[in-house]
Amino acid sequence: DAKTTQPPSMDCAEGRAANLPCNHSTISGNEYVYWYRQIHSQGPQYIIHGLKNNETNEMASLIITEDRKSSTLILPHATLRDTAVYYCIVRVASDDKIIFGKGTRLHILP
Amino acid sequence: NAGVTQTPKFQVLKTGQSMTLQCAQDMNHNSMYWYRQDPGMGLRLIYYSASEGTTDKGEVPNGYNVSRLNKREFSLRLESAAPSQTSVYFCASDIKRVGTMGYNEQFFGPGTRLTVL
Repeated sequence: DAKTTQPPSMDCAEGRAANLPCNHSTISGNEYVYWYRQIHSQGPQYIIHGLKNNETNEMASLIITEDRKSSTLILPHATLRDTAVYYCIVRVASDDKIIFGKGTRLHILP
Repeated sequence: NAGVTQTPKFQVLKTGQSMTLQCAQDMNHNSMYWYRQDPGMGLRLIYYSASEGTTDKGEVPNGYNVSRLNKREFSLRLESAAPSQTSVYFCASDIKRVGTMGYNEQFFGPGTRLTVL
């Protein structure tokens, strides 16, 4: 079973920041938080990951709460091409498996 | 690099027919995976292979068999297809990055769309 809880869908206006929440209240100390997204009909694409500290890359920012029980993926300036299903996953670095939940379907509104 | 490739892209089978879905990666990854995705659902892990010569069951292995032919190739076989196996099948491979983070990033293929009538 997926160890994360995400809202099934969200809307965001084009050009605004999209903030996607994820709850992972049973996360273990050695588990990382990963985010992937899946644009319609394509295979999922890695976005970002983190352990304790906030992280930023060219695609997004990841904010992890101090108790690590939840996190937020931030797309700073959403475009129509960011319309996708976003998956939040927790996983031990040495673990061979990824268990995907149902994710959040993000709609970017023009 | 082609990344992860899958063949065929589309396939229609009749109930009871068999077929093999092919997957190959050219990134020298150790781990490979097969997922299925039903309409409106997330991905579910069927089988995975942590290294050449090893395979393990995922969440939904029933009705499938796999072969890790070599480091590059990981095939998924349906011995007797059923309508419940109509789905999109994704293959993925994985690199374990050694370093302070030691994280894994999976790379996915484009998918095989399978319909069983």
